[in-house]
Amino acid sequence: GAGVSQTPSNKVTEKGKYVELRCDPISGHTALYWYRQSLGQGPEFLIYFQGTGAADDSGLPNDRFFAVRPEGSVSTLKIQRTERGDSAVYLCASSLMASGPYEQYFGPGTRLTVT
Amino acid sequence: DQQVKQNSPSLSVQEGRISILNCDYTNSMFDYFLWYKKYPAEGPTFLISISSIKDKNEDGRFTVFLNKSAKHLSLHIVPSQPGDSAVYFCAGTQGGSEKLVFGKGTKLTVNP
Repeated sequence: GAGVSQTPSNKVTEKGKYVELRCDPISGHTALYWYRQSLGQGPEFLIYFQGTGAADDSGLPNDRFFAVRPEGSVSTLKIQRTERGDSAVYLCASSLMASGPYEQYFGPGTRLTVT
Repeated sequence: DQQVKQNSPSLSVQEGRISILNCDYTNSMFDYFLWYKKYPAEGPTFLISISSIKDKNEDGRFTVFLNKSAKHLSLHIVPSQPGDSAVYFCAGTQGGSEKLVFGKGTKLTVNP
C-alpha cells in the first residue's frame, strides 16, 4: 500500500519568501505529525494533528510557522518570511490510533534550502 | 537540554557479529522508547519499541534492552548484515503525549 508522501522532495527559496510543504498521510491514519531534521541532528517535533485539529503545536519555533489539516487528511506546513536557519529536512509522519499511539510512519521528507 | 543522547556518532562492525547501539535519556517521565532506522534520502523506519514496564523486547535479529535505573537503553543486532548499514535513532515519549523526542543518531556500518 501507499506510504506517507511529501511534496516537493526539494525546495529552494530565497530568504524572505513564503513556502508551503505538503504531506499526504497513509489512508485511514487519523494522526499526523510534522518534524524538522537539521544536519547532524535527530528529528525535532513541530506539531501534531488528531483529525483536523492541532492537538499539540508546542514545537513550532515561532509564529512564522503554521500548519493546517482542513479535511483531516492532507496537511500543509506553511513558513512565512523564510530565514536561512529554516533550511532543514521537514518530515511528516502518520499513525493509526487504533494500533497504538507510538508507531509513527514517516515520509521521505522535503529538503528546504533558503538562500 | 538534550533529553535523549546517543553519544556514539558512528559504529563499524563486521558482518555476522553483534552490533550494540546505545542510548541514554534524562527525562524520567518517558515511559515508551522506540528505535528507528534511516537510509539516505528516506524517512525514518520504525524498528522496535519497548515499554518502561519491560526490560527487554525481542523481534528477530533485533533486541532492545531497557535499564530504567540507569536511564539507558541499547539495541542489539545479531547477526549484523550489510543491509543493516544505516543511521539508527533512539526516541522516547511520555504517556499521553504523541511527541517523540529523538537522539542525534548513530551511523552503523556493517562491513562484508
